[in-house]
Amino acid sequence: EVQLVQSGAEVKKPGESLRISCQGSGYSFTNYWIAWVRQMPGKGLEWMGIIFPGDSATYYRPSFQGQVSISADKSTSTAYLQWTSLKASDTATYYCARSGYCTRINCVTYSRFDPWGQGTLVTVSS
Amino acid sequence: DIQMTQSPSTLSASVGDRVTITCRASQSISSWLAWYQQKPGKVPKVLIYDASTLESGVPSRFSGSGSGTEFTLTISSLRPDDFATYYCQQYKSFYTFGQGTKLEIK
Repeated sequence: EVQLVQSGAEVKKPGESLRISCQGSGYSFTNYWIAWVRQMPGKGLEWMGIIFPGDSATYYRPSFQGQVSISADKSTSTAYLQWTSLKASDTATYYCARSGYCTRINCVTYSRFDPWGQGTLVTVSS
Repeated sequence: DIQMTQSPSTLSASVGDRVTITCRASQSISSWLAWYQQKPGKVPKVLIYDASTLESGVPSRFSGSGSGTEFTLTISSLRPDDFATYYCQQYKSFYTFGQGTKLEIK
């Protein structure tokens, strides 16, 4: 079964750093893009950025560039979303999701998000 | 950036109704569009991809159509389980979600 399992909920203070994770299983982790999506309380879905674990190619939505960093560890099939200095406005649920793929035979760069991780609630409050 | 605009933002309907949600792209995205369903506190679930392809396991009362800049999601006969928020998403160039349509019980 293809699965993405995210790390647990976090409660942090403004200015603190944080890294949340998303571990893939049941498929070739290095061949598929992993996206991160933010959902602020009571709001819609926002695509934040994406990484291709095979070569760590990373792209950010402009509004998130410089605010977060996305990385991946091929050895543990895990993608990460990281903040160096959290703000109260970072309070949200963060989802990872699998999207396009690239193999030696074929590449589909953009695709629907499926599956999704279960979400990680990040609460930033003094 | 490709912008996605859904309408309506809220839709009130009854069990058994046929409902349609519209999604417009700010530029042509061919058929690179997906629809998701999200219930409160739950993970989004893909219903339709490539504008009109039903995801495996999704009931046939859901259907998608359109290409270019205009797309629709139709639920042919609402069931109680369908009351949720629906999002469109373009994947022609990176990714953008619509703002969501909340489908409420009338």
